[in-house]
Amino acid sequence: AQRVTQPEKLLSVFKGAPVELKCNYSYSGSPELFWYVQYSRQRLQLLLRHISRESIKGFTADLNKGETSFHLKKPFAQEEDSAMYYCALKGSQGNLIFGKGTKLSVKP
Amino acid sequence: DAGVTQSPTHLIKTRGQHVTLRCSPISGHKSVSWYQQVLGQGPQFIFQYYEKEERGRGNFPDRFSARQFPNYSSELNVNALLLGDSALYLCASSLWASYSTDTQYFGPGTRLTVL
Repeated sequence: AQRVTQPEKLLSVFKGAPVELKCNYSYSGSPELFWYVQYSRQRLQLLLRHISRESIKGFTADLNKGETSFHLKKPFAQEEDSAMYYCALKGSQGNLIFGKGTKLSVKP
Repeated sequence: DAGVTQSPTHLIKTRGQHVTLRCSPISGHKSVSWYQQVLGQGPQFIFQYYEKEERGRGNFPDRFSARQFPNYSSELNVNALLLGDSALYLCASSLWASYSTDTQYFGPGTRLTVL
């Protein structure tokens, strides 16, 4: 089965604290994984994808095939990081399979 | 470029009615995908079209159908609406159908409420 699990519905941290949003996946084969973000009143947008191995807005994510995980991390959270974060897996039809999302709230 | 556009923004229908949602992709993009997002859930794949042909279909009943036009815009049709069809319907466009380097760009969505 192709599935994405985000165990945390809500994650609340203080500004300057480290952030880790968890994502686990189920996929037979070589997975392609993404993090999408939705800021308040904005559309869903790509944050980063594992094949690029890039850091966007200070966020990084490493694919761990052994643990089937693709956790999103940022060493120092900012208030503007508050948003809904979705982990997504590219399915066999080229579609995106999304997790249920984690709402990140960064408090001042 | 305004990005992916969708119309209408909001829609209220009653059970049993039919609805048509529209999507215009980013200029130059040939693939359009449709997703349904129920409150509290992540988007769920409905259809993908590429060069006017259906390339993928999610686990949705036959009441859901779609098509893509020569200008690459797309329509999603839902017949015999049920209360459970109430959701945000998202359209995403991409250059190609499934290349790993391709990014799906999402529209703002159409909020459908079925009473």
